[in-house]
Amino acid sequence: AQKVTQAQTEISVVEKEDVTLDCVYETRDTTYYLFWYKQPPSGELVFLIRRNSFDEQNEISGRYSWNFQKSTSSFNFTITASQVVDSAVYFCALVEDFGNEKLTFGTGTRLTIIP
Amino acid sequence: EAGVTQFPSHSVIEKGQTVTLRCDPISGHDNLYWYRRVMGKEIKFLLHFVKESKQDESGMPNNRFLAERTGGTYSTLKVQPAELEDSGVYFCASSQEAQGRINEQFFGPGTRLTVL
Repeated sequence: AQKVTQAQTEISVVEKEDVTLDCVYETRDTTYYLFWYKQPPSGELVFLIRRNSFDEQNEISGRYSWNFQKSTSSFNFTITASQVVDSAVYFCALVEDFGNEKLTFGTGTRLTIIP
Repeated sequence: EAGVTQFPSHSVIEKGQTVTLRCDPISGHDNLYWYRRVMGKEIKFLLHFVKESKQDESGMPNNRFLAERTGGTYSTLKVQPAELEDSGVYFCASSQEAQGRINEQFFGPGTRLTVL
C-alpha cells in the first residue's frame, strides 16, 4: 500500500533563512504522481506542484524548488530566503495510478518563519 | 473563477445528531472528492465522484456516512448519527477530467465538525 512520510512535524526558522521540508514515499507502482500543498492559516489547501514518476528533473519556481529522487523515494521541498508569508502547514501527497486518483497525504510539516 | 466552496465552515453538534455538509466544486469539474482530517493525523480520503457516480468510496468509515452528488454538481456528506470520533475537518476537492494524466485537485476551505 502507498504511504507518505513527513518526519518533520514542526520547523521554525528565522526570516531569510533557507529551509527544506522532507517527504519520503512508498509505492509499488511504477507510475505515480507526487504533490505538495500549502495550508495557510485560512485553512484551504493550496496546490503548489505536481510531479509524475517519469520526470525526475528538479523544478524551481521563484523561491520554491523541489528535488525529486526516485533512488531514495524522496520529493523534498526547499524554500529559499524564507518570508513570514511562508508560514503554513505543508503537505506532501501521492497518487498511485489512473482511475484511482485519491491523494495519500503525509501528516504535514508546520513551518513557522520568525520575523 | 470561483474556487471550491464548502458550507458550513464550522458545525458543533451533539452526539447522536445529524449533520449535512455541502460542497460546491469548481464549475466544469467532473471529479469531486471528500477527505477528512482528524486532529493530529493525516488527511484521509473518503470518496470520489465522477459526475454523479461514486467512483471510489473505499475510505468511507462506516454506514453512518452518506454522500450524494445529484445532477453531478454540488455534493453533500451526511453523518447520521454523529459520534465523537467523527470530529475533524472535512475537505472537499475537485478536478477536471483528463485522459492520460492526473490533474491537480483544488481544495475548499474545509468544514470543521465538532461532536460533543
